Amino acid sequence: GNSVTQMEGPVTLSEEAFLTINCTYTATGYPSLFWYVQYPGEGLQLLLKATKADDKGSNKGFEATYRKETTSFHLEKGSVQVSDSAVYFCALRLQTGANNLFFGTGTRLTVIP
Amino acid sequence: DAGVIQSPRHEVTEMGQEVTLRCKPISGHDYLFWYRQTMMRGLELLIYFNNNVPIDDSGMPEDRFSAKMPNASFSTLKIQPSEPRDSAVYFCASSFMGTGSYEQYFGPGTRLTVT
Repeated sequence: GNSVTQMEGPVTLSEEAFLTINCTYTATGYPSLFWYVQYPGEGLQLLLKATKADDKGSNKGFEATYRKETTSFHLEKGSVQVSDSAVYFCALRLQTGANNLFFGTGTRLTVIP
Repeated sequence: DAGVIQSPRHEVTEMGQEVTLRCKPISGHDYLFWYRQTMMRGLELLIYFNNNVPIDDSGMPEDRFSAKMPNASFSTLKIQPSEPRDSAVYFCASSFMGTGSYEQYFGPGTRLTVT
C-alpha cells in the first residue's frame, strides 16, 4: 500500500547544528512529496514540496530532494535555530487524482541554545 | 484571509455525551479534510469532502462518528456517544485543487478531552 516512513524521534540538537530527518515512501506511480511543520499548539503548515523526481523543495533554509531511485525525501537544514523546534511530517499525494495526503508519524525536533 | 477556523478550541465532556466539532474552510476551497491526532496513532485522516460530497470516510473509526458538510463554508464532525478513547486533537484542513499545488491548509485544531 501507499505509506510514508519517517525517522523516529525525538531529535535534540544544539543551535547551529546540521539537521537531517529521513523520509522514505512507498507509492505507485510518481507521487508528489511534502514536508509539513507543526509548531506547538498550532495546526500543520506546509514547509516545502516537490512534485517530480530530482526536484528540490526549499523554504526557510530547509531543503529536500525528491529521489525516485531511493524513494526518499530527506529534510535537511544547515544550521538550525531554537525557533525551528517543532514536529515535522513527511507526506505524499498520489499521482492518481485523489487529493488526500498520506502522512508519516512525525518527528519532534528540539533545538537547544 | 482568516484561514481555516475551528470551534471550539478546547472541549471537555463526560463519557456518553454528544460532541460536535465545527469547521469553516477557506473561502473558495473545494476540498475539506478531518484528521485526528493522538500520541499513540499519530495523524489519521478520518474523512474528506469534495464540493461538499463525502469522498472517502474509510478512516472514520465507527458508527459513533459522523461528519456533514451542508454547504461550502461549513462542516461538522459529531461523536455520539463520546468515549474516553476519543480524546485527541481534531484538525480540519481545506485545499483548492484548481491551483495544482494540493497544499492543505490546517486549522488550529480542537483539543477534545472525554472524561
